[in-house]
Parts: sequence; C-alpha cells; structure tokens
Amino acid sequence: GQQLNQSPQSMFIQEGEDVSMNCTSSSIFNTWLWYKQDPGEGPVLLIALYKAGELTSNGRLTAQFGITRKDSFLNISASIPSDVGIYFCAGHPSGTYKYIFGTGTRLKVLA
Amino acid sequence: NAGVTQTPKFQVLKTGQSMTLQCAQDMNHEYMSWYRQDPGMGLRLIHYSVGAGITDQGEVPNGYNVSRSTTEDFPLRLLSAAPSQTSVYFCASSIRQGAHEKLFFGSGTQLSVL
Repeated sequence: GQQLNQSPQSMFIQEGEDVSMNCTSSSIFNTWLWYKQDPGEGPVLLIALYKAGELTSNGRLTAQFGITRKDSFLNISASIPSDVGIYFCAGHPSGTYKYIFGTGTRLKVLA
Repeated sequence: NAGVTQTPKFQVLKTGQSMTLQCAQDMNHEYMSWYRQDPGMGLRLIHYSVGAGITDQGEVPNGYNVSRSTTEDFPLRLLSAAPSQTSVYFCASSIRQGAHEKLFFGSGTQLSVL
C-alpha cells in the first residue's frame, strides 16, 4: 500500500536545539496532519494543514503544507525533554476517505 | 466528553480464538477507522466506515471484520486469531468541519496472539 516517506527515521538532539522533519509523497494531498505518540498511548494531533503553502504554529511547533501539495514539514524550536516521542505525518489524498501515514520520526532529547 | 474510547487495553489470545475489539466515540463523527501499528511499518488501515451501515476495506483487511450499526460504535472482529495479528490496534474517528478534517485516535489495544 501507499506510504509516505518520512525523514529522518530517528534523531538525537541536545535540549534547546531546533528540530526539523519532513514527509514526502508521490500523490497530491488535500490535508496534512502531524501527530506525536508517547509510549503506550495513541497518536495525539499536533497540527492540521489544509491549504498549499499554509504555515501553522502550535506553541513551539510549526508545520508547513508544501507548495507542490506533495510534502510537509514540521519544526520544533528550542526542544525540551518532554518533546521525546515519535512524530507521524499523515496525508489525505484527494478523492478518498483514507489517510496515509508516514513511518515516524523517533525523537530523543538529551538534557 | 471522552473522545475515542477503546477496550480492552491489553489482550492475549491463543491461535484460532476469536474476539472483538471495541471502539466508541461520543463526538458524533461520521468517519471511523481501524489501524494496526507494527514496528517500522507506521499505521496501516484495516477497515473504515463513512457512516452507519457503510464499511469498506483498507490496506490490510484480511482476517478482520467490521460493522457499523450506530454512529458511535465501530467494533473490529478477529475471526480466527493468528500470530501475525499480534500488534497494537488503534481506532480513529473524524468529522468534516467544512473542508477541515481532523482525525482523532483512541489509546490503543495491545494484542498478543500465541
């Protein structure tokens, strides 16, 4: 089945550093969603994007809907230890009811 | 407002047993879906429903059945459990707010098939 290419797969960063991750697809999407998942929990929605070029923030998190509608980016500024977790992107292809998920970026923050 | 509720949280089955994973949402969402999450595979869609009485297959439907008799509930049935069905299962729901959909997840069911 179709999957999104999400990178990087994992990253270790120092507390206070900025983090960037991205997702790319071969298909055009109408919606991009970004999630964070903590161990033993379900994914929690962080940011939703609905329009090409849209830039949306949620606290220290900023996400962008790529102009081509085939990619999206998530940035975390000034990372803190509680940012540890797995971040997923999800895209909603045009004309379908299905969401496609990336394989996740595992983030570890070193204090 | 509980959101998306899944039960049980943990389950161990023997090969060949059947069981039902429960999912309920109290947000009057039209769309509900089931995913399984395996290491390195991301979330894969099993079945989904766009409203009561309507279901369709996702990416990995074999070995699973669903029904949607009410807007609130979307149970997932394992007909004859196999070790390959060991996974974490998530139910999700969404509503179209104009064109602005948001997909919300339950807390998951960790299933082990021995």
